[in-house]
Amino acid sequence: EAQVTQNPRYLITVTGKKLTVTCSQNMNHEYMSWYRQDPGLGLRQIYYSMNVEVTDKGDVPEGYKVSRKEKRNFPLILESPSPNQTSLYFCASSFRDRTYGYTFGSGTRLTVV
Amino acid sequence: AQSVTQLGSHVSVSEGALVLLRCNYSSSVPPYLFWYVQYPNQGLQLLLKYTTGATLVKGINGFEAEFKKSETSFHLTKPSAHMSDAAEYFCAVKSTGNQFYFGTGTSLTVIP
Repeated sequence: EAQVTQNPRYLITVTGKKLTVTCSQNMNHEYMSWYRQDPGLGLRQIYYSMNVEVTDKGDVPEGYKVSRKEKRNFPLILESPSPNQTSLYFCASSFRDRTYGYTFGSGTRLTVV
Repeated sequence: AQSVTQLGSHVSVSEGALVLLRCNYSSSVPPYLFWYVQYPNQGLQLLLKYTTGATLVKGINGFEAEFKKSETSFHLTKPSAHMSDAAEYFCAVKSTGNQFYFGTGTSLTVIP
């Protein structure tokens, strides 16, 4: 089944404890992206990647890191999480062609206390 | 630059009534437009998209949307609401750089 898989689905952590949210897609998509979703703000892009070893900042990159060492994986790293990073996170992927929409993962609900 | 505005963060309709969710966009290039639906505790799912060709686009679950260039709009409609349509709906425009710009979403409530 074609899908984007995120793990974990739920995570509660403490301020300052490094964490990684994994994202993997099995559709050979070149383009991958991370979003956070907050009430009243919609989806805001954190980072994106056009292909292996090519990443760039989105609208809200502060406090996050990403890497794209393999085409299928695009982990999101929070080196020192803070409470304002409590949010619902989505990974998405797509072919580079503009006519394609995103395929989204099921989301990761992160709480930083 | 591209952006999307969704008018009405909350819309309520009676079961069987017309659903109309509004989306206006701004784009410096011919826009590629999308509607997504998000059910509770789930990711976003593509409802329909407009890229080129016919301006009236049909999607899943009986939804459709019409691209109106003169009004810079891409409103989503469904003739008869069903309880299962209750969800959050997002309009998005895709840039030439493959970036998606999402609206802030419209929460649809269906009243029995």
